[in-house]
Amino acid sequence: SAVISQKPSRDICQRGTSLTIQCQVDSQVTMMFWYRQQPGQSLTLIATANQGSEATYESGFVIDKFPISRPNLTFSTLTVSNMSPEDSSIYLCSVEAGTSSTDTQYFGPGTRLTVL
Amino acid sequence: GENVEQHPSTLSVQEGDSAVIKCTYSDSASNYFPWYKQELGKRPQLIIDIRSNVGEKKDQRIAVTLNKTAKHFSLHITETQPEDSAVYFCAASRPLGRLYFGRGTQLTVWP
Repeated sequence: SAVISQKPSRDICQRGTSLTIQCQVDSQVTMMFWYRQQPGQSLTLIATANQGSEATYESGFVIDKFPISRPNLTFSTLTVSNMSPEDSSIYLCSVEAGTSSTDTQYFGPGTRLTVL
Repeated sequence: GENVEQHPSTLSVQEGDSAVIKCTYSDSASNYFPWYKQELGKRPQLIIDIRSNVGEKKDQRIAVTLNKTAKHFSLHITETQPEDSAVYFCAASRPLGRLYFGRGTQLTVWP
């Protein structure tokens, strides 16, 4: 498995501002992903963070709202821009780890975001 | 895109009984089906997974079955214990590792 950390663990922000969430892994991984979990809901994939290229966004998510960086194989950031109360969620990063035939996905502890 | 349906949304069982959660998926290209357990305030934890070339997998009290033709898979927990109480999510993975989740099942095990 992989050890994944996220910063911050939680934050309370004012509407109209932006927050950058960091995800750090203890080993080099090819695939990193960002998910959103709204209160009491399931996990929704936001985007795949690719090292050396632009992130690939899922339907309903756009780069202007959720810019992502992936500067190396152990680190990624997700920015939530121009926040509104609807952005209040838990944001989780995940990575694939393991041999190529048994890659499984592990999640970071999440960042709990509240937008006032 | 992939659409994963999960039933039931809530499940209450007596300690020692079995629990079954069922999921269906829509994309025949999906080839990996993990199950996650999420306790309140915690991250999702992988409990078991199955790949499309396998029909069944078991790990102690937990088993998963997969029917590729019907595009459905199920989680079976036997001899349930109060500590099994949590939200369980099924997921289907499309190529390049993208996971699409069901809506979750709140399992409550009564002592």
